[in-house]
Amino acid sequence: GENVEQHPSTLSVQEGDSAVIKCTYSDSASNYFPWYKQELGKGPQLIIDIRSNVGEKKDQRIAVTLNKTAKHFSLHITETQPEDSAVYFCAAHLPLRDYKLSFGAGTTVTVRA
Amino acid sequence: SQTIHQWPATLVQPVGSPLSLECTVEGTSNPNLYWYRQAAGRGLQLLFYSVGIGQISSEVPQNLSASRPQDRQFILSSKKLLLSDSGFYLCAWCVLTGDYGYTFGSGTRLTVV
Repeated sequence: GENVEQHPSTLSVQEGDSAVIKCTYSDSASNYFPWYKQELGKGPQLIIDIRSNVGEKKDQRIAVTLNKTAKHFSLHITETQPEDSAVYFCAAHLPLRDYKLSFGAGTTVTVRA
Repeated sequence: SQTIHQWPATLVQPVGSPLSLECTVEGTSNPNLYWYRQAAGRGLQLLFYSVGIGQISSEVPQNLSASRPQDRQFILSSKKLLLSDSGFYLCAWCVLTGDYGYTFGSGTRLTVV
């Protein structure tokens, strides 16, 4: 199966600064990479995703980049705000018969006011 | 529109008691369904997934079981709860057309005492 590693495990940034979370995956056949945001006591919510035929995708203050050669992808949050404080999970989809996402261990992001 | 319902939101159960958590999906047909557990401050552990009615795959041997009696209903059960079953339980669904992302429910916080 797919193995996804996520770094850092915790990230503290000053409000207004940028935050970057990186993930690596093991299987070059993986073709879909979503990012989830989980606020305290809630279920994770999809915030952005990217497919293997795209190198970068942006949605307002968040962006995801994918480097297929190096097998890593990153989440970039610009102009961070207190409401960006949450746990973020990356994931990778390996196209096998039974569809399952492989998740990273999560990054706790704290935005300091 | 597609929605996922998960209940109850919180549950406190004594050791040795039974458990039944229910998840239902609306607005889609033949979804893949998943049960995850999240220990405090930890990542997402896949417990069970189902690709169709009556089809259950177990990822981790444990004290729990799952059933899918109807297309859009997924149930997590235990005959006798252990202290180690405490955690945050999340149901998720996806369809294998177009967007591959999961949609998570709001979760059930289970405390076994």
